[in-house]
Amino acid sequence: NAGVMQNPRHLVRRRGQEARLRCSPMKGHSHVYWYRQLPEEGLKFMVYLQKENIIDESGMPKERFSAEFPKEGPSILRIQQVVRGDSAAYFCASSPWGGHQGEQFFGPGTRLTVL
Amino acid sequence: GQQLNQSPQSMFIQEGEDVSMNCTSSSIFNTWLWYKQDPGEGPVLLIALYKAGELTSNGRLTAQFGITRKDSFLNISASIPSDVGIYFCAGPRGGSEKLVFGKGTKLTVNP
Repeated sequence: NAGVMQNPRHLVRRRGQEARLRCSPMKGHSHVYWYRQLPEEGLKFMVYLQKENIIDESGMPKERFSAEFPKEGPSILRIQQVVRGDSAAYFCASSPWGGHQGEQFFGPGTRLTVL
Repeated sequence: GQQLNQSPQSMFIQEGEDVSMNCTSSSIFNTWLWYKQDPGEGPVLLIALYKAGELTSNGRLTAQFGITRKDSFLNISASIPSDVGIYFCAGPRGGSEKLVFGKGTKLTVNP
């Protein structure tokens, strides 16, 4: 049973470019979450999606960041016009249920470096 | 907002020793999760706790959900080199799906 998959694992962008991060949840999981981790820090929630719906985006910066989870295909976290401060590890997690159980299973992450 | 405070920040121990770390909050959590993160990887779920007072084991790992619902403890017995990593506590914030994470306890095991 494949786990959560993320690609690319490493992404280098120059300031002003766009970054697209992809996440395929575990089979049977319809809930996807994105988190950001800065060095020496814990993970910070960004956005929670179900298929074709954004449920909670309270952790997303208001500008340049967007996320989607289409009916077919992976979830995408998109960062437009990247700046150096966007450099971080971005993790996707999935769960098979909602309802505040809390258990989320994480992918290996995408490490974004902005030059 | 809800924050999780982990201690200690780091630990240096000898192989074979037991380890104890904890996580506290000023707010109540209804679920406590313990994750381990290896360098360059994502967090891996170790133990999930759902009930105040609950004590749950997973091999050499034992975790407890504090009675006040404001703290949790993780113990590792007879540590081995592969226990090296960062251990995070986490919980869903305020009845939502969002997980709040502590800053982690970095464990180093000397062979």
